[in-house]
Amino acid sequence: EAGVAQSPRYKIIEKRQSVAFWCNPISGHATLYWYQQILGQGPKLLIQFQNNGVVDDSQLPKDRFSAERLKGVDSTLKIQPAKLEDSAVYLCASSSRTGAYEQYFGPGTRLTVT
Amino acid sequence: GEDVEQSLFLSVREGDSSVINCTYTDSSSTYLYWYKQEPGAGLQLLTYIFSNMDMKQDQRLTVLLNKKDKHLSLRIADTQTGDSAIYFCAVTDTGRRALTFGSGTRLQVQP
Repeated sequence: EAGVAQSPRYKIIEKRQSVAFWCNPISGHATLYWYQQILGQGPKLLIQFQNNGVVDDSQLPKDRFSAERLKGVDSTLKIQPAKLEDSAVYLCASSSRTGAYEQYFGPGTRLTVT
Repeated sequence: GEDVEQSLFLSVREGDSSVINCTYTDSSSTYLYWYKQEPGAGLQLLTYIFSNMDMKQDQRLTVLLNKKDKHLSLRIADTQTGDSAIYFCAVTDTGRRALTFGSGTRLQVQP
């Protein structure tokens, strides 16, 4: 079974530029999450989708961050304009709707904003 | 909201047992997980426990849950150098499902 795929793996941009990250979850997983992991910290939820609907985006800085999950499969997270404090690893995870709702993570995208 | 705390660092010798501890604040936490993160990699799910269990064993891993004290621990038997990584405790409930993570414990295994 293929895992969660993310691209790109690394991205360096200047502040005020825009950037987009892509995630393809495990096949059949209805729930998709985006987390932000700042160096030295645990991941923090940005947004949670159930199929193509948003379940929780309370921690998403909506003035600069946006996310979508068209057709309930792939998802894109965008930052526009980026700030220095957005430098972090952006992790995508997916889970099924059964069992212990275990979340499986992709390798992440390391963003550096200069 | 939920708060999850972990100690920052643990150093053990190869072959010894490692015990990584975690405390959480929300008594409604239903599922509790342990993840492993190696440098430059995503998070690997190691094991999980339901809140109605006290203990779960999975090969070299033993998870202990004390609901009264809101304390979770992960014991790694016969620790190997390949176990060197950051270990995250994470909790959620049936309603929310998104994970709340601790800040991670860096395990260093010395040969």
